[in-house]
Amino acid sequence: DIQMTQSPSFLSASVGDRVTINCKASQNINRYLNWYQQKLGEAPKLLIYNANSLQTGIPSRFSGSGSGTDFTLTISSLQPEDVATYFCLQHNSWPRTFGGGTKLELK
Amino acid sequence: EVQLVESGGGLVQPGRSMKLSCAASGFTFSNYGMAWVRQAPTKGLEWVATISYDGSSTYYRDSVKGRFTISRDNAKSTLYLQMNSLRSEDTATYYCTRERMGRYFDYWGQGVMVTVSS
Repeated sequence: DIQMTQSPSFLSASVGDRVTINCKASQNINRYLNWYQQKLGEAPKLLIYNANSLQTGIPSRFSGSGSGTDFTLTISSLQPEDVATYFCLQHNSWPRTFGGGTKLELK
Repeated sequence: EVQLVESGGGLVQPGRSMKLSCAASGFTFSNYGMAWVRQAPTKGLEWVATISYDGSSTYYRDSVKGRFTISRDNAKSTLYLQMNSLRSEDTATYYCTRERMGRYFDYWGQGVMVTVSS
């Protein structure tokens, strides 16, 4: 199975900050890496697919980059409504595997 | 508007069975692969199973292989997950999700809770 190592596990930042979350795959997953946002008590929401494609309706402050084994989710200017847990998911191989999550809080 | 509505969860004893359903609307169900993803209380997300658009191909994580069966009824726009021989470690919220181009899950239901306990 492909292991997805997400970092950091917890992140505290201020409104307006630039935030980066990383995901490292244990082997090459090409560009088949997706990012999700999950707010407390809600279902996950797709933010970025295929490493860098912004899902329809998602604010442009969210962006993704990377390929192969190393990927990054960036929030260019943190907003209060971005408080959530973020997960990466590799969709290259079976079984599909998620990162452990990054809990983002406001400082 | 795409909608996925899960049902069928609840409390079940270890070793017993339960069947989840996911009613889909707002899109042509028979054109999309579908999947189940679960989340144990206070834990991360875990992919469970995927079924192709026509039901001809299915994929499972090892820990549920032989116990869970994913299926679909395209005439009813409904996805199912038959869960047998349930274990305490199957306790989780189960989400139904639509798969796009075989490469990402774009829409998710609100989830249904399954608790396996005596």
